[in-house]
Amino acid sequence: DAGITQSPRHKVTETGTPVTLRCHQTENHRYMYWYRQDPGHGLRLIHYSYGVKDTDKGEVSDGYSVSRSKTEDFLLTLESATSSQTSVYFCAAQDLENTEAFFGQGTRLTVV
Amino acid sequence: QKEVEQDPGPLSVPEGAIVSLNCTYSNSAFQYFMWYRQYSRKGPELLMYTYSSGNKEDGRFTAQVDKSSKYISLFIRDSQPSDSATYLCAMRKTGANNLFFGTGTRLTVIP
Repeated sequence: DAGITQSPRHKVTETGTPVTLRCHQTENHRYMYWYRQDPGHGLRLIHYSYGVKDTDKGEVSDGYSVSRSKTEDFLLTLESATSSQTSVYFCAAQDLENTEAFFGQGTRLTVV
Repeated sequence: QKEVEQDPGPLSVPEGAIVSLNCTYSNSAFQYFMWYRQYSRKGPELLMYTYSSGNKEDGRFTAQVDKSSKYISLFIRDSQPSDSATYLCAMRKTGANNLFFGTGTRLTVIP
């Protein structure tokens, strides 16, 4: 997993509650990403970061926000969880442009 | 239409078979092509990384890119039960870092 840790690994939450997922990396990678993986859709980019406090939206960013106050941590927040956000969330990190992206083990989130 | 299309399978083959996995794409801006392997309940791990058209070989794995047809392939020779996983194609545009993924093909190699 190239030093990428996601927490929690599993979470069940209720509709309407805020949820924060954490991604921690130990390799000082500049770029970090949050993807969600759903059957029939594959992995889709939610948000990404190209440095501390520098973030941008991906393909499916509605209902999500991110923050990166330190190089090693990238947080994904579901502001008010909905059942459509039930998914497996993956964090990835990358050192330089056009190099390999390393993925974490995933967080399985269920919104009931 | 999705930018990257991949047959979801599932694909089941006997041990020792040659496996062919494929993706097509619609955007000619894609220049970097990857294959990831994902075991059940794990994160994707990079198998092959190629730039533009051509072939790249690594052990039992060969990645092939045909930009004129917007078609990429991954061949697995002498397939093993340990190759049983979901294989994801991914691609990236020049100047961008985010990846566009296929939906994945689930492969089972039967001993």
